[in-house]
Amino acid sequence: AQSVSQHNHHVILSEAASLELGCNYSYGGTVNLFWYVQYPGQHLQLLLKYFSGDPLVKGIKGFEAEFIKSKFSFNLRKPSVQWSDTAEYFCAVNYAGNNRKLIWGLGTSLAVNP
Amino acid sequence: GAVVSQHPSWVICKSGTSVKIECRSLDFQATTMFWYRQFPKQSLMLMATSNEGSKATYEQGVEKDKFLINHASLTLSTLTVTSAHPEDSSFYICSAEEGRSNQPQHFGDGTRLSIL
Repeated sequence: AQSVSQHNHHVILSEAASLELGCNYSYGGTVNLFWYVQYPGQHLQLLLKYFSGDPLVKGIKGFEAEFIKSKFSFNLRKPSVQWSDTAEYFCAVNYAGNNRKLIWGLGTSLAVNP
Repeated sequence: GAVVSQHPSWVICKSGTSVKIECRSLDFQATTMFWYRQFPKQSLMLMATSNEGSKATYEQGVEKDKFLINHASLTLSTLTVTSAHPEDSSFYICSAEEGRSNQPQHFGDGTRLSIL
C-alpha cells in the first residue's frame, strides 16, 4: 500500500540548532514529493517540492530537502532554525498514475525555543 | 498569488442539519479541487477529488450521499455535509490545483465543523 512515514512526531530545538525531519515513502515507482508547513493558525503552505532533476531541492525560508531514491526518502533540513520556524511540517507524496492525489505523512510538530 | 479562500472557518450546528462549505480559488483557475478531513493528531485524509464540470471522485469509505461535492466553476467547489451528526465533527480542508502540470496544491484555511 502507498504510505508516507514521518519518523519524528515532536521535535524541540533551540534557536540556531540544525534541523532534519525524516520522511520515507513506500515503493511505488515514479513519485513527486512535497513538504508543506502549517504555522499556528494558518493554512498549509508549500515549502518545497521535487518532481525531477537535481535531487537536492531548495525551498523557501532556508529549507532544503534531498531525494534519495535508493532509500525512498525525502528528508527536510535547515542548518539553523529560528523561533519563527515553530510549526507543523507535513511530507506528502504523489505517486505517478494516482491522478495527483497526495498521500500524507502524520506530520511533525516542531517547537523552537528562543 | 495562488490564494484559496474557504468559508466558513467555523460552524456549529444541530444534529440533522446540512452544512455547506465553500472553497474558492481567488486568483487562479482551479481545474481540480480536493477535499480533506483532518482528525486531531492525524494526517490529512483525502475525501474526494473534484474536477470542474464533472462528478467528484470519492475515496473508499467516503459516503457520496453524505458528503455532496459540487465543482460548478473553475473557481468554486462546495462540500455539503448532509444530515450532519456528531461523528461528522471534524476539520475540513480544501485545496485547489491549477491546470498546468507540475503545480502544487494550494490550501484553504480549513473549516472547523462542530455538530451538537
